[in-house]
Amino acid sequence: AQSVTQLGSHVSVSEGALVLLRCNYSSSVPPYLFWYVQYPNQGLQLLLKYTTGATLVKGINGFEAEFKKSETSFHLTKPSAHMSDAAEYFCAVSRGANNLFFGTGTRLTVIP
Amino acid sequence: GAVVSQHPSRVICKSGTSVKIECRSLDFQATTMFWYRQFPKKSLMLMATSNEGSKATYEQGVEKDKFLINHASLTLSTLTVTSAHPEDSSFYICSAPGQGAVEQYFGPGTRLTVT
Repeated sequence: AQSVTQLGSHVSVSEGALVLLRCNYSSSVPPYLFWYVQYPNQGLQLLLKYTTGATLVKGINGFEAEFKKSETSFHLTKPSAHMSDAAEYFCAVSRGANNLFFGTGTRLTVIP
Repeated sequence: GAVVSQHPSRVICKSGTSVKIECRSLDFQATTMFWYRQFPKKSLMLMATSNEGSKATYEQGVEKDKFLINHASLTLSTLTVTSAHPEDSSFYICSAPGQGAVEQYFGPGTRLTVT
């Protein structure tokens, strides 16, 4: 069985500050891990993904995430928040393109 | 990257009527598409898997007679909400796995409001 837990439904950071969105997963098999971003009234856009290989994954818009098997975590970070980063962020796990399991989402607010 | 479109982006209908939502893969073929429902400030809930040439697979608790899915071609899947009621108001999103890809590509979503 696979599941995703996102700690913190709301995260607020100041513009220019570090962004850290937490994601922990459970999976009975080596997982594929994803972070998606959703802007208001829009679909989901892929930020980054981990399948195999390097555990530190770089994505679009300056985001990156590190797969830590020992901690079953895939936290999303960005060194310096920008106002345009304000959105809803979803962590997801799957084994292949089918059967994506989403976390409950984290709303990121960026304070000027 | 692969592009998935949805039409309409917004629709308002009266209670008791039916509404059709289209999901298209624009630059790739998709034998499988997924339909999700998203409640306000909530995560995405998988409703069903649409299969080209065969019946859709519905998740537990989803009424197949209410949410009719037709995968008419390798680039088009439709979701019809039959006899819509206000509780069906939601944001519906479709997605498709790209060829050889491990991720899904999402449409922009359709906001359904039933009055």
